[in-house]
Amino acid sequence: KNEVEQSPQNLTAQEGEFITINCSYSVGISALHWLQQHPGGGIVSLFMLSSGKKKHGRLIATINIQEKHSSLHITASHPRDSAVYICAVRYSGGGADGLTFGKGTHLIIQP
Amino acid sequence: DTAVSQTPKYLVTQMGNDKSIKCEQNLGHDTMYWYKQDSKKFLKIMFSYNNKELIINETVPNRFSPKSPDKAHLNLHINSLELGDSAVYFCASSQQHAGNTIYFGEGSWLTVV
Repeated sequence: KNEVEQSPQNLTAQEGEFITINCSYSVGISALHWLQQHPGGGIVSLFMLSSGKKKHGRLIATINIQEKHSSLHITASHPRDSAVYICAVRYSGGGADGLTFGKGTHLIIQP
Repeated sequence: DTAVSQTPKYLVTQMGNDKSIKCEQNLGHDTMYWYKQDSKKFLKIMFSYNNKELIINETVPNRFSPKSPDKAHLNLHINSLELGDSAVYFCASSQQHAGNTIYFGEGSWLTVV
């Protein structure tokens, strides 16, 4: 069964802390996405990875293809980072040719 | 200047009705998708469609049907609505290659009463 597992499910931290959210998947993928969903509901794509590491501002995403694992890091976290972070993969083998999603990590950054 | 737009944003309707949600993208993408987010906030693919083929998630009831009048539009039609259809439906688009960013619409909140 193709599954995407995220941890932790919920995370509360203080402003300024370094945040790490993990994602693991079970079979070969062609791409992995990190998405952000704000309380209002809209979904924004943060990163698309197929290998290595990407950085955008305070956000860093890494992927290890051999270990089937990805991490999303937030440096100097801020209350506006509070959101649900969702890992999603596109499997190499087909299916509905869309993304398969993790259940999300609900992040709260307290001032 | 929204990249992927869906309408309506909110829809409340009675069981048994037929309804549609419209989606348009102005990014020139060749592939569009419909996703469903249930009450537990879990997202699942429903359909993906490009100008070559429609791929359907086998778990989607045939009461749901996508209709694409052109490359920029993928509308979702739902017949004989049921209570369990209440969810948020997200439209998205991308270029077909797996390595491209996917862009989401803002979601359509459907409530069936």
